Amino acid sequence: NAGVMQNPRHLVRRRGQEARLRCSPMKGHSHVYWYRQLPEEGLKFMVYLQKENIIDESGMPKERFSAEFPKEGPSILRIQQVVRGDSAAYFCASSPTGQGANQPQHFGDGTRLSIL
Amino acid sequence: SQKIEQNSEALNIQEGKTATLTCNYTNYSPAYLQWYRQDPGRGPVFLLLIRENEKEKRKERLKVTFDTTLKQSLFHITASQPADSATYLCALENSGNTPLVFGKGTRLSVIA
Repeated sequence: NAGVMQNPRHLVRRRGQEARLRCSPMKGHSHVYWYRQLPEEGLKFMVYLQKENIIDESGMPKERFSAEFPKEGPSILRIQQVVRGDSAAYFCASSPTGQGANQPQHFGDGTRLSIL
Repeated sequence: SQKIEQNSEALNIQEGKTATLTCNYTNYSPAYLQWYRQDPGRGPVFLLLIRENEKEKRKERLKVTFDTTLKQSLFHITASQPADSATYLCALENSGNTPLVFGKGTRLSVIA
């Protein structure tokens, strides 16, 4: 049973470039969550998606950030025109049912984004 | 304002002792609370979930309590081992269909 797969594990971008982070949920999970973790800080919720739908994007910055979870393929977190402050670890999690369902979330090992 | 606090940033204990980690929250009404373990360079791994109507939950050497009056959860590791060294995160979901909110974590070091 493959767990949540995230790639790349490390991503280096220069300021102004685009970053694309991919997440394949656990088999059978149709709910995906993205979190950001800064050094010495807790995980911060960004966005919650089901297949082809954004359910909750209350934690996502309004500009430059977008997320999708297409019918086929992984979920993508996209950051346009990256800035130094975007440097962080980005984690994806999945669950078989959604928020409010008393279910644990299963996390990938994250993508560490570094902006030069 | 809403807060979730894990009172110790770091905790060092001797092997074989019981480690007790605290999670306090303010202005939340969580239906349940979760504990995760995170190792350096890895994602969090789910350990235990406790519901608001449960006082205590156990799993092997782990025990979690949940006191909705004190607005606090305690996480215990009995007979601790160096392999238990990690950062432990508490997380809660406020009542309703809302995102998980995580504490900053407590970094536990078990010394042989």
